[in-house]
Amino acid sequence: GQNIDQPTEMTATEGAIVQINCTYQTSGFNGLFWYQQHAGEAPTFLSYNVLDGLEEKGRFSSFLSRSKGYSYLLLKELQMKDSASYLCAVFGVTTDSWGKFQFGAGTQVVVTP
Amino acid sequence: EAQVTQNPRYLITVTGKKLTVTCSQNMNHEYMSWYRQDPGLGLRQIYYSMNVEVTDKGDVPEGYKVSRKEKRNFPLILESPSPNQTSLYFCASTDPGHNNEQFFGPGTRLTVL
Repeated sequence: GQNIDQPTEMTATEGAIVQINCTYQTSGFNGLFWYQQHAGEAPTFLSYNVLDGLEEKGRFSSFLSRSKGYSYLLLKELQMKDSASYLCAVFGVTTDSWGKFQFGAGTQVVVTP
Repeated sequence: EAQVTQNPRYLITVTGKKLTVTCSQNMNHEYMSWYRQDPGLGLRQIYYSMNVEVTDKGDVPEGYKVSRKEKRNFPLILESPSPNQTSLYFCASTDPGHNNEQFFGPGTRLTVL
């Protein structure tokens, strides 16, 4: 299996930085994804990490360490519109998981004024 | 405009009455998926298809069927819906040539009474 764990909720102030951690247990995956989902809407793609290290995209950065089974999404200069659920996901490549996407339960980020 | 469409967006039905939720994409993607989303459980993959006439079970396939007769369409069929299938359903298509990014449809909120 590919158990994926992330915190249920995080609260931060507008303008601050928040780091959302994601830990997973899998013997093999193609890449690790982060998606953003606003209430009542479909998820939208934020980032994709294949290799270890940090990928930066404007105010959002994502980090992956395969050896530690760990990823994080860093949101900088938080804005009110960043209040949303953030989903961590992997695309499997093992015999059990080939071709499957598996998601964590999501982290609800609440940005306060 | 590149998009994934789903119909209907909202459906209230009764136990045992067969229903189909349609999904269509205009991006010529080979890979398509169906997910259900329930509070606290995140997105769970029901079925996926890597190409025309190729479908595979995800993590929660019981009670569902799919078909993939053409690349653009991937309908989800509930032969005999039950109340535990009340959920929010998302269809998605994936571009393996672009980070395996998934494009999600707007969602179908299904209530089975």
